[in-house]
Amino acid sequence: KNEVEQSPQNLTAQEGEFITINCSYSVGISALHWLQQHPGGGIVSLFMLSSGKKKHGRLIATINIQEKHSSLHITASHPRDSAVYICAVRPGANNLFFGTGTRLTVIP
Amino acid sequence: NAGVTQTPKFQVLKTGQSMTLQCAQDMNHNSMYWYRQDPGMGLRLIYYSASEGTTDKGEVPNGYNVSRLNKREFSLRLESAAPSQTSVYFCASSEDRAYGYTFGSGTRLTVV
Repeated sequence: KNEVEQSPQNLTAQEGEFITINCSYSVGISALHWLQQHPGGGIVSLFMLSSGKKKHGRLIATINIQEKHSSLHITASHPRDSAVYICAVRPGANNLFFGTGTRLTVIP
Repeated sequence: NAGVTQTPKFQVLKTGQSMTLQCAQDMNHNSMYWYRQDPGMGLRLIYYSASEGTTDKGEVPNGYNVSRLNKREFSLRLESAAPSQTSVYFCASSEDRAYGYTFGSGTRLTVV
């Protein structure tokens, strides 16, 4: 049983397209994280949110606590956005439950 | 640059060998974590340390030991490596629950 489900698993987009990655979770949480993992492996934290919406540049993250669902949007996608995007939820004090990631490829 | 530094980046071990993965952070964070990442699975917590001098087991602690040497350093030891421990290992740190996590660049470990 996986507490965090992401969709789609793989996504290919043309440069400039609007992209949405979805995350659903089954446990009560105090926060949800979106992370980015580039080829080569490093993991970067994009957002941490517990309600509403956050925006950073072309990235927007939203969360609906009642529906246990979050989305990550990328506007005007670019090949440099190609990466694996990982959703993680924090149900308690010291652990995160991670999704398996969405592999995004943006084609020029 | 401030962040989390992991060493080594790559390692090949023979079954039964031991090794220690090193992790250091220079952000004065209280909490530190060790995760493993396996194909088709999300990252899983091996051990964590909520503060200097304390460590606790995560989801998959068997076969591992940890040491929180001081506030900066958190090491992960494999006493007798097994092929099932072939994985990519990530160290991370955070200030507290209100803040995000900072990850190291990972250690790719292969046990043959």
